[in-house]
Amino acid sequence: GAVVSQHPSRVICKSGTSVKIECRSLDFQATTMFWYRQFPKQSLMLMATSNEGSKATYEQGVEKDKFLINHASLTLSTLTVTSAHPEDSSFYICSAPRGAQTQYFGPGTRLLVL
Amino acid sequence: GENVEQHPSTLSVQEGDSAVIKCTYSDSASNYFPWYKQELGKGPQLIIDIRSNVGEKKDQRIAVTLNKTAKHFSLHITETQPEDSAVYFCAASITGSNFGNEKLTFGTGTRLTIIP
Repeated sequence: GAVVSQHPSRVICKSGTSVKIECRSLDFQATTMFWYRQFPKQSLMLMATSNEGSKATYEQGVEKDKFLINHASLTLSTLTVTSAHPEDSSFYICSAPRGAQTQYFGPGTRLLVL
Repeated sequence: GENVEQHPSTLSVQEGDSAVIKCTYSDSASNYFPWYKQELGKGPQLIIDIRSNVGEKKDQRIAVTLNKTAKHFSLHITETQPEDSAVYFCAASITGSNFGNEKLTFGTGTRLTIIP
């Protein structure tokens, strides 16, 4: 069964609004979670590493003020896309490591900004 | 940093035949190589992984081989079935002091189509 969940699975919002995406590890704790972005027919691009109890680490070129990450607990990380614009429309996926190096991915959240 | 190349980008195979997808990596320090299957509109699903202390690992119809000297690893799917149709991604990471939290570098993906 699924070990990582995401909510919502799909969201449509107006340009200029903010959207929050939740990532939860099920039945295990994750001090670190990862957030990815995937455009159609492309590979996964790591956006940031979410760290429980400390600030997230962002990859080069990712705006930290636009993509706010909060690792609220050992089982929950949230990604907030602030002032979303149409170019932010994408498939956002989180992952969490369980055991030695094994990363499990959530089902993804499709964001459409009108 | 690490760079992972994946080939082919698309692959069509007759049902029942075998499929092979190959990846190469650049950083000789990489020591963990997972393979993910992604179906349309879903998140990637781990199907098999291998660590650098072994050369081959098999799980039913799926196997992965690793050549550390040449820095390449391959996914082998035998007796392919229509439900194997998906996009497959290879990845690599380096074990460090941050145990269990290492970043994955992904290949560009292979779209596998099984022809009935």
